[in-house]
Amino acid sequence: QVQLQESGPGLVKPSETLSLTCTVSGGSISSYYWSWIRQPPGKGLEWIGYIYYSGSTNYNPSLKSRVTISVDTSKNQFSLKLSSVTAADTAVYYCARAQPLLWFGELMGVWFDPWGQGTLVTVSS
Amino acid sequence: NFMLTQPHSVSESPGKTVTISCTRSSGSIASNYVQWYQQRPGSAPTTVIYEDNQRPSGVPDRFSGSIDSSSNSASLTISGLKTEDEADYYCQSYDSSNLEVFGGGTKLTVL
Repeated sequence: QVQLQESGPGLVKPSETLSLTCTVSGGSISSYYWSWIRQPPGKGLEWIGYIYYSGSTNYNPSLKSRVTISVDTSKNQFSLKLSSVTAADTAVYYCARAQPLLWFGELMGVWFDPWGQGTLVTVSS
Repeated sequence: NFMLTQPHSVSESPGKTVTISCTRSSGSIASNYVQWYQQRPGSAPTTVIYEDNQRPSGVPDRFSGSIDSSSNSASLTISGLKTEDEADYYCQSYDSSNLEVFGGGTKLTVL
């Protein structure tokens, strides 16, 4: 059974870059899409982006200028970098496997399963 | 881009049936699959419905999903409510501008 675990600093200073890694265990990272989703304290879920194991990416337009998602198949890991953070980026960050939804072979979205347990990242000086 | 609007909260008694709605602001609800996630307090979300009405293995058949083109909305119905169903529920769908959209979430209280 595939399990995901987020890791990285829990505190980041304003204007710096948030960096998180998701380690996949119990299965290969290959042949799947992988995603990052965040949830500010007491608020709802926001999709950040996803990456295919081959390296192709899709990002939320509202974050696209600051986000980079990368994959390391040799380590069975994928990573998130979010630059120029502010207090508004304080959130629990989840990694998840993104299951493709296909319509006549065309990718028409994804659903997220399973999810990691999440990690709280606070942006503060 | 469209929005998915959910009621802020719903409540119902154990053993009863509750339905949570998810209304799409523009475009047809039927044009993209809808998923539903359950998030218990302090835990990560888990999938209860994908592709409008499919249940992942391990999700009890008390959970069901549907879409209604007349109201342009999706619904999650939970029958035989149990106290363990008390959680936040989120709908999610895809915008053809390559954007995954979540609803604002609904807090289900089982009292």
